[in-house]
This record gives sequence, structure tokens and C-alpha cells, in this order.
Amino acid sequence: DQQVKQNSPSLSVQEGRISILNCDYTNSMFDYFLWYKKYPAEGPTFLISISSIKDKNEDGRFTVFLNKSAKHLSLHIVPSQPGDSAVYFCAASAGINDMRFGAGTRLTVKP
Amino acid sequence: GAGVSQSPSNKVTEKGKDVELRCDPISGHTALYWYRQSLGQGLEFLIYFQGNSAPDKSGLPSDRFSAERTGGSVSTLTIQRTQQEDSAVYLCASSRVGGRGSKVIQYFGAGTRLSVL
Repeated sequence: DQQVKQNSPSLSVQEGRISILNCDYTNSMFDYFLWYKKYPAEGPTFLISISSIKDKNEDGRFTVFLNKSAKHLSLHIVPSQPGDSAVYFCAASAGINDMRFGAGTRLTVKP
Repeated sequence: GAGVSQSPSNKVTEKGKDVELRCDPISGHTALYWYRQSLGQGLEFLIYFQGNSAPDKSGLPSDRFSAERTGGSVSTLTIQRTQQEDSAVYLCASSRVGGRGSKVIQYFGAGTRLSVL
């Protein structure tokens, strides 16, 4: 069962523009959401997270938005840079061993 | 090194053979997780170790899969009588603390790419 879905397998954006990566979830018990970034031949690395009591969390060029009523979260990267090109995984948790990951979105930022 | 280390990075095996995958977590991390990622899929939880507690094996797909963690540090994931559908990237992660309800960040290794011919 895919409780966390990333419906866009890929996204291409011009350098300097905004990248928006989307994620939908089905389990209303999820209360903590994370984004991980993965480069080829490396493991995923933590990028940013948000608790369900918030609707926005910002860290530099990265902002995560949470819409609980729609069970939707998004990651905004602005301005996008070529080094941001990677696979981005959305994850949601209702407890530490209930972490569920999406299938990932491959972001390509073109110079 | 300071990160999570997994070995081997790649493993090619024949159907029916057993394989062992190794994970060295970050020193001091008490929680250790195994995931696998099949082609086009998200990370699938397999098993979770926390300190000396009994592991959560709820994600293991069959009894051909087992894992142990010796001395609260290194972990080995064993797949017996491998099948072609076992082909995937197996990822290990560790974190400082674990437990239902705690908000922790998992640090991942680079994974082992298993190919079963």
C-alpha cells in the first residue's frame, strides 16, 4: 500500500527558477514529514522536515509547505541551482518505525 | 568514516544462493533500520533495531529474510535462497534514538545493489 505518493517521477527546471516537488499521503495519523535528497551512488540525506502542527518550514532556499486538509505537502527550492539536481524523497511518519517513503522525484536543474 | 557504511556496494548472485549484506552504523547511534528500494518504488521498511530491545521485524517480506545486530553496532541482513524479485537496493540507516513518537533524522548508507540472476 502506497501511503506516500510522489506522482511526478521527474521534473526539469531552469537554473534560477523555482522548483516545486509535490507529495500526497493517505494516512491521517502521519504527524511528521521529511524530505530527503539522494545523489547517484549515495544514500538519501536529510534535507528538511515539518511537524503536523505547522504549515510551513523554511531553511534557506528550501521551504516545505503542509496542507493537512488536502494531505499534501510540497518542497519549494528557490532559486534552483544545478547542484540541486538529485532524486528527492518525501517521507511521513506516525512513529519511528512507521516511516513511509514515496517513490521519489528526479529533479534536473538546467544551467 | 563518520557516516553509515554498507558493504558490499554491489552484489550479483545466482537464484537460490544466500547473501549477506553488512551495515556499520554511525558510532553512538542506537537505532538501526534496513530498507529496500525496488525499481520505481519508494523505500520499503524491512526491520528496525533499537538498543537491546527485540527488533521490529514487521517489514520483512518472507522468512527467507533475517537480520541481526551484534553488540548493538554492526548489522547483517541475510537473504536465503535468493529470488529474482529480491533484486533491489538495500539501504541501511541509523539514528541517535528511536521509538514510536520520537522525531529523529535517519542517516543513510549508500546502499547495496543486489542483482539476482
